[in-house]
Amino acid sequence: EVQLQESGPGLVKPSQSLSLTCSVTGYSITSNYWGWIRKFPGNKMEWMGYISYSGSTSYNPSLKSRISITRDTSKNQFFLQLNSVTTEDTATYYCARSEAMMVLPFDYWGQGVMVTVSS
Amino acid sequence: DTVLTQSPALAVSPGERVTISCRASESVSTLMHWYQQKPGQQPTLLIYLASNLESGVPARFSGSGSGTDFTLTIDPVEADDTATYYCQQSWNDPRTFGGGTKLELK
Repeated sequence: EVQLQESGPGLVKPSQSLSLTCSVTGYSITSNYWGWIRKFPGNKMEWMGYISYSGSTSYNPSLKSRISITRDTSKNQFFLQLNSVTTEDTATYYCARSEAMMVLPFDYWGQGVMVTVSS
Repeated sequence: DTVLTQSPALAVSPGERVTISCRASESVSTLMHWYQQKPGQQPTLLIYLASNLESGVPARFSGSGSGTDFTLTIDPVEADDTATYYCQQSWNDPRTFGGGTKLELK
């Protein structure tokens, strides 16, 4: 069974970088597409970006200058880095899988990690 | 970006039929998906490509629509269906989500 688990600090200071890890078990990240989605207080959800089976990436244009998604295939993990965070980046961050990013939905999700941006 | 508009909340009684709507600001063909999210949990996929039931999801859930208007139907509603339901499109870049419809049971 595919399982995803997010990890990372729950508190980040404004202007610093947010770094999260998604650890995947039961499936290789060298197949399919692996994305990050966040849910803001008040329920709005935002697709942030993904890394593909080949290592190519695509990002939401609203974040393009601040976001980076990378991976470590030896550990079957992928990572989110979001730079220059503000309080507006306070959200619950989810990692998820899509079999075909251009068409299909996110069929497996992690439990989510809440990140607060505050001094 | 493609804006997906959902009604904020609905309240129904167990055993009733409920329809949750999602309207897109531009056509998304049939590349619309529906998720259920219960408090404190991650979203789970219910319906993909507008009308396909995800494996393991009860047949009480169904989806329909194409273009700009989509519907998620639950018939009959059960107490366990209390949750927020989101639509999400994958036709236009970037992928976008609706604002969610909170379903409450009377």
